[in-house]
Parts: sequence; C-alpha cells; structure tokens
Amino acid sequence: AQTVTQSQPEMSVQEAETVTLSCTYDTSENNYYLFWYKQPPSRQMILVIRQEAYKQQNATENRFSVNFQKAAKSFSLKISDSQLGDTAMYFCAFTMGGAQKLVFGQGTRLTINP
Amino acid sequence: GAVVSQHPSWVICKSGTSVKIECRSLDFQATTMFWYRQFPKQSLMLMATSNEGSKATYEQGVEKDKFLINHASLTLSTLTVTSAHPEDSSFYICSAKLAGEHTGELFFGEGSRLTVL
Repeated sequence: AQTVTQSQPEMSVQEAETVTLSCTYDTSENNYYLFWYKQPPSRQMILVIRQEAYKQQNATENRFSVNFQKAAKSFSLKISDSQLGDTAMYFCAFTMGGAQKLVFGQGTRLTINP
Repeated sequence: GAVVSQHPSWVICKSGTSVKIECRSLDFQATTMFWYRQFPKQSLMLMATSNEGSKATYEQGVEKDKFLINHASLTLSTLTVTSAHPEDSSFYICSAKLAGEHTGELFFGEGSRLTVL
C-alpha cells in the first residue's frame, strides 16, 4: 500500500520569506501523480500544484514550486515570497491516477506571520 | 469550472437519528466520488469510493451499514449516517473526479460538519 509522510506538523515563517514543506512517499509503482493541497481555515481543499511522476521537470505555479526527487521518493513544496493568505494546512497526496484513491499525508500547519 | 457543492455545510442532530449529506458536481460529470472524514487537526481519512451506478467500495474499518453511500447519477452522491451517535461527530468531505481525467486530481466540496448530540 502507498503511504505518504509529512514530518513537519507545524511551521512558521515571516511574511515574504521562503518556506519549504517536506513530503516523502512509498510506492513500488513507476507511474503515479503527486499533489499538494491547501486547506485554509474555511476547510475548503484547494489544489496548489501537481506533478506527474513521468515528468522530470519540477512543476511550478507562480510562487509555488516543487522539488521532485523520484529516486528518493521525495516531493517537497517551496513557497516563495510567502503571504499572509498562505496560512493554512498543507497536505501532500499521492495517487496512481484514474479512479484510484488519493492518499494524504498527515499535513503541515503553516503560519505566515506579519 | 469543476465545482463541487456539498450540502448541508453543517448539521446538528440527535443521537439515534439519520443524517444525509449531498455531494454534487455542478458543472461536470463525475463517475467517481470519494468520501473523506476529517477529525480536528488531522488529515483526511478515506471512507469509501463511490462509483455511479454501482455499490460503493468501503475502506477497511468503515461500517457500510452505518455510512450508506449512494451514487445515483453522474452529478450526485449522498452519504447517509444512520443511527448517528456522538462519536460520529466529525467533518465530512466529498470529492469528485472528472470523467475521463487520468491524473486522479480531485475537486473537493466545502465539507459538512456533523454534530451529534
């Protein structure tokens, strides 16, 4: 079974700083998909960024980028120029794709301080 | 696009009663929907996978007779918590996958907070 591990329960940085959230996963498969979701206080899950395992290039979305290390099974999220609105729970997630379920990590509570 | 709506957003019920939560994909067809449960400050725990027109697949440890899931159409799945007890109080989140989409990306509802007195 696939597992996802986020080893940082909580993180806190000052506004405008850069922060990196860690995520590791375990799978014997070669093709899969990884996601970072954000859950703000409203509890609505929002997709931050997605990475296809067959792509070597790291995904980027504006201030958000990932460091995907397939051999190490690592998928960290970097948030540049952090903003107060980035305060939320961040979940790393894994799926084989298609109709397969999405497996979540334990989450990292990120607080951006003014 | 890809909006998922959950209703009700919060509900309070008495112990022993049943509560139904609806999950609708508003602007797309969803052959597969997933129901998650989330305890305070914890991650999302998958309860079941709901496929349109067939029986739901429940995760290990989830009582199928207590958490009834129906996926009657390509835009609607319902979760019914039967004979609710205080320990069923939780935040329930549904998600939907676009029909034919291969990456497994899910679109989430706003969640439903259930409080059983």
